[in-house]
Amino acid sequence: KAGVTQTPRYLIKTRGQQVTLSCSPISGHRSVSWYQQTPGQGLQFLFEYFSETQRNKGNFPGRFSGRQFSNSRSEMNVSTLELGDSALYLCASSWDRDSSGANVLTFGAGSRLTVL
Amino acid sequence: GQSLEQPSEVTAVEGAIVQINCTYQTSGFYGLSWYQQHDGGAPTFLSYNALDGLEETGRFSSFLSRSDSYGYLLLQELQMKDSASYFCAADSWGKFQFGAGTQVVVTP
Repeated sequence: KAGVTQTPRYLIKTRGQQVTLSCSPISGHRSVSWYQQTPGQGLQFLFEYFSETQRNKGNFPGRFSGRQFSNSRSEMNVSTLELGDSALYLCASSWDRDSSGANVLTFGAGSRLTVL
Repeated sequence: GQSLEQPSEVTAVEGAIVQINCTYQTSGFYGLSWYQQHDGGAPTFLSYNALDGLEETGRFSSFLSRSDSYGYLLLQELQMKDSASYFCAADSWGKFQFGAGTQVVVTP
C-alpha cells in the first residue's frame, strides 16, 4: 500500500513569506502528526490531528498552524517565515493504537524548507 | 519539564552488540518507542514498549522499566547497514517527545 506522501519535497522561501505543506497519510490512518527536524534541535513535535481535530500541540509559536481534512489529509502552514524555520518538516501517520497498545508512526520523506 | 536523554554516539564493529540507553522525564507517559533514521531518509519504526519488559524483533530488542523511567534498545549481530541514527521517543497519548538521537557507527 502507498506510504505517507509529503509535498513539496523541497522549497525555498524568503523571510516574511508564508508556506503550506501537505501530507497524505496511509489509507485508513486517522492520526496525522507533524515534526520539525533540525541538526541542533532534533525532532520536535508540532501538533497531532485525529479525525479533523487537533488532539495535541507542541511548544511552537502561533505562526505554526495545521488542519486535517475529512479524508485525513493534513496541511501545515507557517506564516511570517524566519531564518530559524529552515528545517525538514516530517509528517507521520498512524492507525492510532493496536491491540498491544502500540502507537506506530509511519513517516513521510519530509519537506525540506529553506528560508533565505 | 519533559526530556529524553540518550548517548550521542556509539561505535562498534560488525557482529558486535550495542545497547542504547534512554532515560525519560515526561508527563502522561504511555509508552516508549524507537526509530531508526539513515542519513537523508525518514525515521522508520523499530519497536514500541507499552509494558515493562523486553520486546524482541529479530536482531533488535527493546526494554522498558517504568519505575526507573528507563529503556534501552539492543542491537545484536551488528551489520554495516545498521549505521544510522536511533531515536527513543516517549508517547504521551499521541504526543511524541523524541530524544536527540544516537549515531551508531559500525566499522568493519
